Amino acid sequence: RKEVEQDPGPFNVPEGATVAFNCTYSNSASQSFFWYRQDCRKEPKLLMSVYSSGNEDGRFTAQLNRASQYISLLIRDSKLSDSATYLCVVRSGGKLIFGQGTELSVKP
Amino acid sequence: GAVVSQHPSRVICKSGTSVKIECRSLDFQATTMFWYRQFPKQSLMLMATSNEGSKATYEQGVEKDKFLINHASLTLSTLTVTSAHPEDSSFYICSAQDGYNSPLHFGNGTRLTVT
Repeated sequence: RKEVEQDPGPFNVPEGATVAFNCTYSNSASQSFFWYRQDCRKEPKLLMSVYSSGNEDGRFTAQLNRASQYISLLIRDSKLSDSATYLCVVRSGGKLIFGQGTELSVKP
Repeated sequence: GAVVSQHPSRVICKSGTSVKIECRSLDFQATTMFWYRQFPKQSLMLMATSNEGSKATYEQGVEKDKFLINHASLTLSTLTVTSAHPEDSSFYICSAQDGYNSPLHFGNGTRLTVT
């Protein structure tokens, strides 16, 4: 089993749609969690950290369920510019482990 | 915010040559930097953890004699791909953090093509 697993993509959605990404992690002792965004042929950029209480940043909402070892990212009112690969990242044993990413394509 | 600069952004070299990639933290000190590699359509894979003033810690399957890491100061780590081969062609990305539980900040990556 992979340490961090994400929904297989790609997700193709129309502008304005709401889309949810899911991620599970295997190490129950994992300490911190992040969502990164990676555009084609570029480096990953931090989208948001994920806190136990859940957190929201504009159209983006991240949630963490430690009991189920599950992280989610919700994007509301998706824009064309949201098209990218979304990476779930978990800090585990001092290292940051990346999921394989879920590609999102937002169409007009 | 924390800025990490990586150079060069792109390099094409012949098989058998060595390539050095630099990673600098511009506005913070990084005792630890991380080197990742990403093949097309795949996720980032951690290659090694670079520790200032000490030896790097390599992940399983990564040859330390092929991928030389030097972290001589709190703001600079270098990765040298020695005797590069076409299969080493990849996107190499460094990263650093300005606190243990802080997110990683990435350099802009180096796209290496070995012909």
